Amino acid sequence: GDSVTQMEGPVTLSEEAFLTINCTYTATGYPSLFWYVQYPGEGLQLLLKATKADDKGSNKGFEATYRKETTSFHLEKGSVQVSDSAVYFCALPPLRDSNYQLIWGAGTKLIIKP
Amino acid sequence: EAGVTQFPSHSVIEKGQTVTLRCDPISGHDNLYWYRRVMGKEIKFLLHFVKESKQDESGMPNNRFLAERTGGTYSTLKVQPAELEDSGVYFCASSQQGGPNEKLFFGSGTQLSVL
Repeated sequence: GDSVTQMEGPVTLSEEAFLTINCTYTATGYPSLFWYVQYPGEGLQLLLKATKADDKGSNKGFEATYRKETTSFHLEKGSVQVSDSAVYFCALPPLRDSNYQLIWGAGTKLIIKP
Repeated sequence: EAGVTQFPSHSVIEKGQTVTLRCDPISGHDNLYWYRRVMGKEIKFLLHFVKESKQDESGMPNNRFLAERTGGTYSTLKVQPAELEDSGVYFCASSQQGGPNEKLFFGSGTQLSVL
């Protein structure tokens, strides 16, 4: 069945460091891919998404490119800030007509130290 | 505009007890969803309401879990009796309509600890 695999956390970086959080997937066909973020004390929020191969999603300085050849959707940011500390989830919808029955990765906790 | 709110934010109960979680969706959102994240693992879908009707409850783990949405407004998720493996974070989300392009709005979750 479809699945999502994320790198285990926590990931601890210093402010202004370069960030990569790996996400790979297995899926039938070519689904949309999502990154969600949960900041401390808040609900999950959609950070960015890509709907087809080679698409690049971007938001708040974060980017992720839908790579069909490597079945990956790695999250990157060039210079992280303390405010980026959160838990990040990679996800994909298994059904083309559904966006709620998402298949989620296990989440990666990111800790940014000043 | 108020977001999705969940209550309580934390609950600590003993095995065998009953716990009821509440979710208030964004006003006007017909679609309401429950998810849970157990032991830091991946988030799993539990069920989906459209107004007061259960559209999809394929993710409900067993009959110890009962979800209701009387009147199509807020929803409750009752666990009775609670077991150790029920510990985790329970998320609620809502959307105005269903479908692949509809944005989901999540609450901050209820952290449930069963001792």
